[in-house]
Amino acid sequence: GQSLEQPSEVTAVEGAIVQINCTYQTSGFYGLSWYQQHDGGAPTFLSYNALDGLEETGRFSSFLSRSDSYGYLLLQELQMKDSASYFCAVSGPGNYQLIWGAGTKLIIKP
Amino acid sequence: DGGITQSPKYLFRKEGQNVTLSCEQNLNHDAMYWYRQDPGQGLRLIYYSQIVNDFQKGDIAEGYSVSREKKESFPLTVTSAQKNPTAFYLCASTDWDRNTEAFFGQGTRLTVV
Repeated sequence: GQSLEQPSEVTAVEGAIVQINCTYQTSGFYGLSWYQQHDGGAPTFLSYNALDGLEETGRFSSFLSRSDSYGYLLLQELQMKDSASYFCAVSGPGNYQLIWGAGTKLIIKP
Repeated sequence: DGGITQSPKYLFRKEGQNVTLSCEQNLNHDAMYWYRQDPGQGLRLIYYSQIVNDFQKGDIAEGYSVSREKKESFPLTVTSAQKNPTAFYLCASTDWDRNTEAFFGQGTRLTVV
């Protein structure tokens, strides 16, 4: 079957760094995406990795290792507004579907 | 501005009624999706469509129906056969090119009263 695993909840302190991991098992793989969702809102796109390595966008970075079927989202200089749920998703060939993880709730304490 | 518009934002349904949720996009995307999200949970795929006049069942299609008569529109009907329809419904679209980014509407919160 196809599945993605990510921690259900992560707690961190304002100003700190936090890493949210995602491991996947899918029949095809084009890339790994990350989305942020605030309570009551819609998911918004953060990043996409198709190749191994680190992609940096401001305070957020995303990493992919295709050989390990693993990726992570790194958030630096945490702010209270970063409190949200973060989803990883895998896109694969053939059927236009995105396979979604169950989401990680990030709790930030002052 | 390009984007996806869902309406209404809040919807109340009486038991036994069918209701239709609207989803319109002007991004010229080929693929469109409907997801259901329950409190504290992830996204579950209801239906998706790759092209006009074609759609496929997702993981939880029972009690739902869709149509794709136009590229821009992908309405979802929640039928009376859906026994637990209270949830947050999200419509999304992606370009055909490897789904690198999904764009979401603001969502419709459906409550059965």
